[in-house]
Amino acid sequence: EAQVTQNPRYLITVTGKKLTVTCSQNMNHEYMSWYRQDPGLGLRQIYYSMNVEVTDKGDVPEGYKVSRKEKRNFPLILESPSPNQTSLYFCASSSRTGNYEQYFGPGTRLTVT
Amino acid sequence: AQRVTQPEKLLSVFKGAPVELKCNYSYSGSPELFWYVQYSRQRLQLLLRHISRESIKGFTADLNKGETSFHLKKPFAQEEDSAMYYCALLYNFNKFYFGSGTKLNVKP
Repeated sequence: EAQVTQNPRYLITVTGKKLTVTCSQNMNHEYMSWYRQDPGLGLRQIYYSMNVEVTDKGDVPEGYKVSRKEKRNFPLILESPSPNQTSLYFCASSSRTGNYEQYFGPGTRLTVT
Repeated sequence: AQRVTQPEKLLSVFKGAPVELKCNYSYSGSPELFWYVQYSRQRLQLLLRHISRESIKGFTADLNKGETSFHLKKPFAQEEDSAMYYCALLYNFNKFYFGSGTKLNVKP
């Protein structure tokens, strides 16, 4: 089944403790992206990747890192999480040809205390 | 700079009534615009893209470059249309900007 998976789905952590949220897609998509969703603000793009080893900042990259060493994986790294990074995070992927339809993961709910 | 604006946080209509979800964008180039929908306990998914000019589940959206709008319309709302709707702009074919979303509630 074609899909985007994220792990973990739920995470509660403490300020300053490094964490990684994984994202994987099995559709051979070139484009992958991370978003955070906050009430009243909709989805805001954190980072995106056009292909392996090609990443760039979205609208709200501060406090986040990403890497794209393989086409299928695009992990989101929070080196020193803070409470203002408490949010619902979505990973998405799409082909860069065709209609640019993004396929979204199920979301990761992160709480930083 | 905010690139996509959805002025209504919540829109409530009765079943069978027409629906219009508003979306305005700011972009000087040729916009690539999308509507995404998130039903309860489901993933965010593409509803329609302006360039395809399709009608999906009875919804249509017309790009109006003069008014920089991409409103989503449906002539007769159904209860199963209740969901969160997001308008999105693809900027320079790499960055996506989403609006803050409109929750559509279709009452029986």
